[in-house]
Amino acid sequence: QEKVQQSPESLIVPEGAMVSLNCSFSDSASQSIWWYQQHPGKGPKALISIFSNGNKKEGRLTVYLNRASLHVSLHIKDSQPSDSAVYLCAVSINYGNEKITFGAGTKLTIKP
Amino acid sequence: GALVYQYPRRTICKSGTSMRMECQAVGFQATSVAWYRQSPQKTFELIALSTVNSAIKYEQNFTQEKFPISHPNLSFSSMTVLNAYLEDRGLYLCGASRGGNTGQLYFGEGSKLTVL
Repeated sequence: QEKVQQSPESLIVPEGAMVSLNCSFSDSASQSIWWYQQHPGKGPKALISIFSNGNKKEGRLTVYLNRASLHVSLHIKDSQPSDSAVYLCAVSINYGNEKITFGAGTKLTIKP
Repeated sequence: GALVYQYPRRTICKSGTSMRMECQAVGFQATSVAWYRQSPQKTFELIALSTVNSAIKYEQNFTQEKFPISHPNLSFSSMTVLNAYLEDRGLYLCGASRGGNTGQLYFGEGSKLTVL
């Protein structure tokens, strides 16, 4: 059974700082990895995904995937107070039907 | 755009009673719906995966007898928490997939269950 671990559990940084969030997963057969953002009282919203080893950049977000070490990270450049949210790492595996397993999340707070 | 609506947004129920929650996909066909529970202990657990025209797959620790799910068409799913107790508290989220094994789910805002 796929296990997804995220670190840190929470993070407080000043506005403008670079933020780095980590996620490790257990199954090397994992297909795509997604990062979701969840604001208080809202459902998670998909931000960015990666499938192949290496990195992918979209705006202020960069995601790095290392399949050998089963690790993925999300980096947010020039963080804004509106980036304050819980960030969830989600790993997708196809067992006939696609199953998506989430980590418990990292609570990010950006101080103005 | 793809939107998912969940209702009710929150329910307070007495221990031993049941709560039904609904999930509506608007603007796309939800070929599969995954029900999750986000608990006060900060876990994010998959309860079951429902794909139209396939059997519903429940995860370990979750059963059809406790969490019956209906997924009659490509826009609607419902789940009931039967005989709810304190450990069933949490935010129940439905995530709908357009299919294609992309790993992307569209979530509703969740149904928060409080058990007294």
